Amino acid sequence: DAGVIQSPRHEVTEMGQEVTLRCKPISGHNSLFWYRQTMMRGLELLIYFNNNVPIDDSGMPEDRFSAKMPNASFSTLKIQPSEPRDSAVYFCASSPRGGGDTQYFGPGTRLTVL
Amino acid sequence: KNEVEQSPQNLTAQEGEFITINCSYSVGISALHWLQQHPGGGIVSLFMLSSGKKKHGRLIATINIQEKHSSLHITASHPRDSAVYICALIQGAQKLVFGQGTRLTINP
Repeated sequence: DAGVIQSPRHEVTEMGQEVTLRCKPISGHNSLFWYRQTMMRGLELLIYFNNNVPIDDSGMPEDRFSAKMPNASFSTLKIQPSEPRDSAVYFCASSPRGGGDTQYFGPGTRLTVL
Repeated sequence: KNEVEQSPQNLTAQEGEFITINCSYSVGISALHWLQQHPGGGIVSLFMLSSGKKKHGRLIATINIQEKHSSLHITASHPRDSAVYICALIQGAQKLVFGQGTRLTINP
């Protein structure tokens, strides 16, 4: 299996632009998680999906962030408009049955907003 | 007070030493993850445990639910063990809360 796939691996954009991060979970996994990692705050859970349905989005920082999972093999995290404080590494992870199960992390997308 | 505290924040040791990283928490949990983040940034799940002890190779993880404490041990440490080790609490069925991580450096 290829593991969790994220794209792009690096993204540099200017403040105000829309950014879309993509994730393909491991086939057969029912849960998908989006995390953000910064030096100041460490790893934070943004949102997770179970069977393509958003279960908890309380970690999404504000309305500029949105996430979708249109099918079991694809999810997006969108930031519109982007701000410099959104600069971070964004990880996607999937697990067979949820947070209480082993999670498999993607390589992350390093986002820089100028 | 943070819900989860790791100690030490940074640890440097010589190859071969026995390593212990601690994780204390203040909330109820259903389980706890230990994660390893490589210098290149990749994250790997090492253990998920809800009681007792688990062992995988040179890595041992223990948890004491009553004392709200978990430890990660590395025996016969090696430079390739150099990484950031992160403790993550599992609350309910899904929600993870992360510690700040322990940066481990093993010198040859």
